Order: sequence, then structure tokens, then C-alpha cells
Amino acid sequence: DSGVTQTPKHLITATGQRVTLRCSPRSGDLSVYWYQQSLDQGLQFLIQYYNGEERAKGNILERFSAQQFPDLHSELNLSSLELGDSALYFCASSPGGRAEAFFGQGTRLTVV
Amino acid sequence: EDQVTQSPEALRLQEGESSSLNCSYTVSGLRGLFWYRQDPGKGPEFLFTLYSAGEEKEKERLKATLTKKESFLHITAPKPEDSATYLCAVQRDSNYQLIWGAGTKLIIKP
Repeated sequence: DSGVTQTPKHLITATGQRVTLRCSPRSGDLSVYWYQQSLDQGLQFLIQYYNGEERAKGNILERFSAQQFPDLHSELNLSSLELGDSALYFCASSPGGRAEAFFGQGTRLTVV
Repeated sequence: EDQVTQSPEALRLQEGESSSLNCSYTVSGLRGLFWYRQDPGKGPEFLFTLYSAGEEKEKERLKATLTKKESFLHITAPKPEDSATYLCAVQRDSNYQLIWGAGTKLIIKP
């Protein structure tokens, strides 16, 4: 158990809908990262927050947004969902941007 | 352009047959190199961090080494439970961004 908690574990929704994925980082970790992993694909970095502030942005679509709250948990919002958004979404946390990150078990999103 | 290349894409070994996985990188300023293990449908599990050429780290049957251009993950006498995808990532020292390789899928047959 990495100490990073993601909910829900599975999510099935229809095209055009909006969903919110939640991440609770390890105790004391200030950085949260979001990644997308499509079937048999590599990890695609989406976005990083550090202590509530956006730190870095990767290949995140405009339909996607995220935020980190004062209690350091983070949410990833995905809207106007398309079939191609079906993937595993991982959250990871680290004490800061310089240390190794620990991953949650992911949310499997299926868009039908 | 910063890049991480892992080889081979897939590796099938018999139980007990030692081998190595390769992670080649080009990055403008390396802060660290990370190895992770990922089981199907699960989140990557942190294994090692290497910071400088010549550094080595070991954990059970795994040993990671680092040179200025590549890292190796040596697996000694592997067991079926070592079957997984092994991911390598490098961290830039300018902005701490991680650049990920595509992974090596390791299959250990009993």
C-alpha cells in the first residue's frame, strides 16, 4: 500500500458527461501528480500541483482540469467525455517536486 | 530533445535465467533516474532512485546501475512473481519534470 488513495476505483459513464476523480496523497506529501494511461500505452503526464498551486502542465486537454485543495487532496475533472478518454487515471504524490513519487491504484474510467 | 528509451519492449525468461533491462536517456541535466514496477491494472510501484553515474542499488533479486547515458536493471535468478512491466523515468534538474520510458514487459515462465 503506497498510502495514496484514489476514488472511485471504477467509473462507467456515457459520452458527453462529466466526472470527477479524487486523490488523497500520502500524509505529509505536498506534491500531487495526475497521469493518464490508455490500454497498453505508457504513462502520460497530465498536471502537477504543489501545495495548492499548479506547478507543471503536460498533455492535458482543455476539457480536463484539476485542483488541489487546502487539505492537499486533489480532484481531476473530465468533461465532455469521449470514447478515447477511456483509460486508467493515476494520481501520485511526493514530499516535493524533487523526490520519488508514490502512485495510487488508479481509477479505471470507461466511456460508453 | 529529452528522451527515454527502454529495451527490449518485452522479455521472456525461464525461472532462474538472469538478464538485464536497459534504459537509455538523453536529458539536458539529470537530477535523478527512477525505476518502477507496474503490474497489470495497478499503479506503478517505486523501486529505486539513482542520482549519479556509478551508483548502484539493490533490492532482493533486482540491482539497478547508472552510467552517464543509460541505466540497467539486472534481475538475478528471477521468479514468476517478478513478471511485470518495468518503467524507467528521468527527472530534469531544471524543472524536476519526469520523462517516462515506454517500459519493458518482463515475463518469467516457471
